[in-house]
Amino acid sequence: EDQVTQSPEALRLQEGESSSLNCSYTVSGLRGLFWYRQDPGKGPEFLFTLYSAGEEKEKERLKATLTKKESFLHITAPKPEDSATYLCAVPEPTGGGNKLTFGTGTQLKVEL
Amino acid sequence: DVKVTQSSRYLVKRTGEKVFLECVQDMDHENMFWYRQDPGLGLRLIYFSYDVKMKEKGDIPEGYSVSREKKERFSLILESASTNQTSMYLCASTYPPGGKSYGYTFGSGTRLTVV
Repeated sequence: EDQVTQSPEALRLQEGESSSLNCSYTVSGLRGLFWYRQDPGKGPEFLFTLYSAGEEKEKERLKATLTKKESFLHITAPKPEDSATYLCAVPEPTGGGNKLTFGTGTQLKVEL
Repeated sequence: DVKVTQSSRYLVKRTGEKVFLECVQDMDHENMFWYRQDPGLGLRLIYFSYDVKMKEKGDIPEGYSVSREKKERFSLILESASTNQTSMYLCASTYPPGGKSYGYTFGSGTRLTVV
């Protein structure tokens, strides 16, 4: 069974203090890895899709990278508005329907 | 802007009531999903649908059913609501996968409380 594990569960940063969130996965034939941001009481918002090892995507202060076993979401000089839960997900390797397996998320808090 | 719209942000229902949660997407997506999200348990798949009138059970289908009569609409039904179904319910949609997978677009969620 596919496993998606995110670490740490929670992370508290000072504004400007860069760090990384980890998403490790065990799935053969990776067909994509997705990062989402979720604010309290809202649905997840799509951030990035990565398809192959070595691929990188950037958006403002966020940068997602992918290896054959894990993905990192790097946050550079974070601001309080980056506070949210960050989720990663991978699709099932076979079958239709595009079912995703989600990690339980990293809850990020950025303080002034 | 493409959207997945869930009909209610907050609902309070009584135990034993039949509850309908509605989801509509305007992206012509074939695949639609219903998840529930609980603290510490993450997102758990209840049901999904590949196409109109097609449905498949997810990981936790007990106590739920679904309906997809039109491509854009996917309804989740709680046949007889119970307190353990108090949760955040999330609808999502996507294109069917080709060689690559496509990510989901989520709705804003429905916070259901069963009393």
